[in-house]
Amino acid sequence: DTGVSQDPRHKITKRGQNVTFRCDPISEHNRLYWYRQTLGQGPEFLTYFQNEAQLEKSRLLSDRFSAERPKGSFSTLEIQRTEQGDSAMYLCASSVGTTRTEAFFGQGTRLTVV
Amino acid sequence: EDKVVQSPLSLVVHEGDTVTLNCSYEVTNFRSLLWYKQEKKAPTFLFMLTSSGIEKKSGRLSSILDKKELFSILNITATQTGDSAVYLCAVAMDNYGQNFVFGPGTRLSVLP
Repeated sequence: DTGVSQDPRHKITKRGQNVTFRCDPISEHNRLYWYRQTLGQGPEFLTYFQNEAQLEKSRLLSDRFSAERPKGSFSTLEIQRTEQGDSAMYLCASSVGTTRTEAFFGQGTRLTVV
Repeated sequence: EDKVVQSPLSLVVHEGDTVTLNCSYEVTNFRSLLWYKQEKKAPTFLFMLTSSGIEKKSGRLSSILDKKELFSILNITATQTGDSAVYLCAVAMDNYGQNFVFGPGTRLSVLP
């Protein structure tokens, strides 16, 4: 499978716990995006990497959220001290570069905070 | 604030009908407009539009962009039940981050 891969697909956690999600982009894509999607809404931008550099973060990304892409390949998104409002689908996408901007999405990680 | 608006938000049609989905935008540094189809999980890419007036076509789906009036339409002819999905419009911006701003989506239900 050469598409964008996310793990886990589902995560149920208790409020206050920390969770970490992983995204493996398409191998030749140097751009990686994280989005959050709640029911009935379009994806909301969280953060973006070009190679290993985190170039932009949304104001939605509170200090409980952190993302890394240490070697410019896979990325992790960590949420500390989860809250019920964090329950959502977390989508990762990747794109190839400046000439083509279409992004390809992974299947997402559905987080439920109870 | 950058904004993408889609209409209608929800649409129910019967198989064989033709539908037109609308997307309008107000963003800084427009680069391209993209349409995605989202069934249950990941949005899947349909079209990317960068130039006004040039129709993109794929089977029964087609789309066109008007950069002067800041909108795009997605047409689906001879709809099938398999077209039932949420159709997302996104704008890529040519700023430092080049992130995407998505609209809320149009939920299309095609009845047999």
